[in-house]
Amino acid sequence: QSALTQPASVSGSPGQSITISCTGTSSDVGGFKYVSWYQQHPGKAPKRLIYEVSNRPPGLSDRFSGSKSGNTASLTISGLQTEDEADYYCSSYTRSGTEVFGTGTEVTVL
Amino acid sequence: EVQLVESGGGLVQPGGSLRLSCAASGFDFRNNWMHWVRQVPGKGLVWVSRINNDGSGTAYADSVKGRFTISRDNARNTVYLQMDSLRVEDTAVYYCLRADGEWGQGTLVTVSS
Repeated sequence: QSALTQPASVSGSPGQSITISCTGTSSDVGGFKYVSWYQQHPGKAPKRLIYEVSNRPPGLSDRFSGSKSGNTASLTISGLQTEDEADYYCSSYTRSGTEVFGTGTEVTVL
Repeated sequence: EVQLVESGGGLVQPGGSLRLSCAASGFDFRNNWMHWVRQVPGKGLVWVSRINNDGSGTAYADSVKGRFTISRDNARNTVYLQMDSLRVEDTAVYYCLRADGEWGQGTLVTVSS
């Protein structure tokens, strides 16, 4: 049950777009459509942004989008805003019937 | 309003036990799978366990298998995590999570002598 691999940090200027990758294997990310993305601000509980690779919960900004290619999922934040500064985590269902999270990515708005 | 409220955290010695509870309200609890996730302060999220809607199916992370037991009481809208043989490395904030992405606020478990 190794954690999915994410870059430790990603940064961008306000208004720019950034993409966070999440790399797993064919036993998790590559094998199922059940990839989710979460945002976590300091001291707060995580908040789900994306489910089933590319679906947004009702009411969530369309600045957040998800995709997948092979064993790598991606989260793109467009029109970067200061409130987007947070930690981001991916997660995936696994062939073992468990779940696994990514290592987490700190997003900094310059 | 959907609410998940964890309780039962605290300080326990290595080798001890704790039972965490997560009380759910504002949604049809008996039709939702539930998870426990933990996070060492300042570190990443780690999945711990999940249970299906009627309690007949469970799964665990290798790091807790054989020591932790997840269960639920649909009459009380509550999911539990029984933690035995606790280790220092189990110290973390424990969150309960509805399978579709609703999180509780977490409860802190500290394992220390």
